[in-house]
Amino acid sequence: AQSVTQPDIHITVSEGASLELRCNYSYGATPYLFWYVQSPGQGLQLLLKYFSGDTLVQGIKGFEAEFKRSQSSFNLRKPSVHWSDAAEYFCAVVRSGTYKYIFGTGTRLKVLA
Amino acid sequence: DTGVSQDPRHKITKRGQNVTFRCDPISEHNRLYWYRQTLGQGPEFLTYFQNEAQLEKSRLLSDRFSAERPKGSFSTLEIQRTEQGDSAMYLCASSLTEANTGELFFGEGSRLTVL
Repeated sequence: AQSVTQPDIHITVSEGASLELRCNYSYGATPYLFWYVQSPGQGLQLLLKYFSGDTLVQGIKGFEAEFKRSQSSFNLRKPSVHWSDAAEYFCAVVRSGTYKYIFGTGTRLKVLA
Repeated sequence: DTGVSQDPRHKITKRGQNVTFRCDPISEHNRLYWYRQTLGQGPEFLTYFQNEAQLEKSRLLSDRFSAERPKGSFSTLEIQRTEQGDSAMYLCASSLTEANTGELFFGEGSRLTVL
C-alpha cells in the first residue's frame, strides 16, 4: 500500500538557521510529490511539487526540495528560516494517472526568535 | 475571492444531530475532493468527484456520511446522527482534470465539534 512518512512530528529551529524536513514514501513507481504548508486557521498551500526532470525543485517562500529515488525521499529545505515559517508542513504523494493524494502526518515547525 | 470556500467554518452540534457542510470550488475546476483532518494527523481522503460523478468513497466513510455535487458545481457533505468521533476538520479541495497530478487548492476547512 502507498504510504508517506514524515518521521519528525515537531522541529524547533532558531530564526536564520537552516531547515530540513524529511519525507519518505512507499510506492510501486515514482509518484508525483508535493509539499504543502498549513498555517493556523489557514488552508493548505502548495509550496512546491515534483513531477519529473530536475530532482531539485524550487518553490515559494525560498523553499526547495530534492527528490532522491534511491532513498524514496523528498526532503524539504530552506537555507534561512524566518519566524513567519512557523507552521505545519505536509508531504503528499499521488500516483500518476490517479487522483487520490496521500498525505503524511505532518511536521510542526517552531521558530525561535 | 476566487479560491475554494467552505461553509460553515465552525459547527458545534450535539451527538445524534445531522450536519451539512458546503464547498464551493474554484469555478473552472472539475475535480472536487473531501478530506478529513484530525489533530496531529494529515488530511485523510474521504471522497472524490469529477464533475457531478462521485468516483470513489473511502472506507473511512460510514453510511452516515453522504456527499453530493449536483450539476458539478458546489458540493455538500452531510453527516447524519453525528458521533463524537466525527469531530474533525473537514477540508475541501479542487483541481483541474488536465493537470492530472497537479495542485490541489484547499479551502480553509469546516471544523466540526460533536458534544
